[in-house]
Amino acid sequence: GDSVTQMEGPVTLSEEAFLTINCTYTATGYPSLFWYVQYPGEGLQLLLKATKADDKGSNKGFEATYRKETTSFHLEKGSVQVSDSAVYFCALLDTGRRALTFGSGTRLQVQP
Amino acid sequence: EPEVTQTPSHQVTQMGQEVILRCVPISNHLYFYWYRQILGQKVEFLVSFYNNEISEKSEIFDDQFSVERPDGSNFTLKIRSTKLEDSAMYFCASTELAGGGDTQYFGPGTRLTVL
Repeated sequence: GDSVTQMEGPVTLSEEAFLTINCTYTATGYPSLFWYVQYPGEGLQLLLKATKADDKGSNKGFEATYRKETTSFHLEKGSVQVSDSAVYFCALLDTGRRALTFGSGTRLQVQP
Repeated sequence: EPEVTQTPSHQVTQMGQEVILRCVPISNHLYFYWYRQILGQKVEFLVSFYNNEISEKSEIFDDQFSVERPDGSNFTLKIRSTKLEDSAMYFCASTELAGGGDTQYFGPGTRLTVL
């Protein structure tokens, strides 16, 4: 079945540091890939998405590239801020299905 | 900006009681979903709903669960006889279009605590 594997957290960085959160997936079809973010006390918000191989999703300085050859969708940001502190979820939506499959989430803590 | 809303934000109930969690999806959306997140675990799909019927459901969504769109705006999840293991955050989501790759917009969640 479909699965998503994310790096364990928490990830603790200083402000302006470079961020990478690794995400790899297993899917039977040609999935769309998503990053969602959950700020403290809030619901899941879409951060970015990519629907086919080599697509790059980007939003708010975050980027992720859909790599079919390595089945990966790693999240990156060049310079994190304290306000980026949240839990980040990688997810996939497989062809013909309605159900998102989520990774376990990675907590990011950015210190001033 | 339109958003998915959920009520209540926190529900406490006794084991064996029925609960109804409510959601108002974004108004022009066609597909509706419920997910849950047990504390410290992954977000898990429960059910999707389209055109007034269940489109897809997971193995978690057994006979104790049901969904309904009782009117033109609300989408509800009913748990008939709650168990301790039903304690979780329940998220509602909606999607505008029927095709693949569509973005699911999530509500803020209802935290269900079963005592």
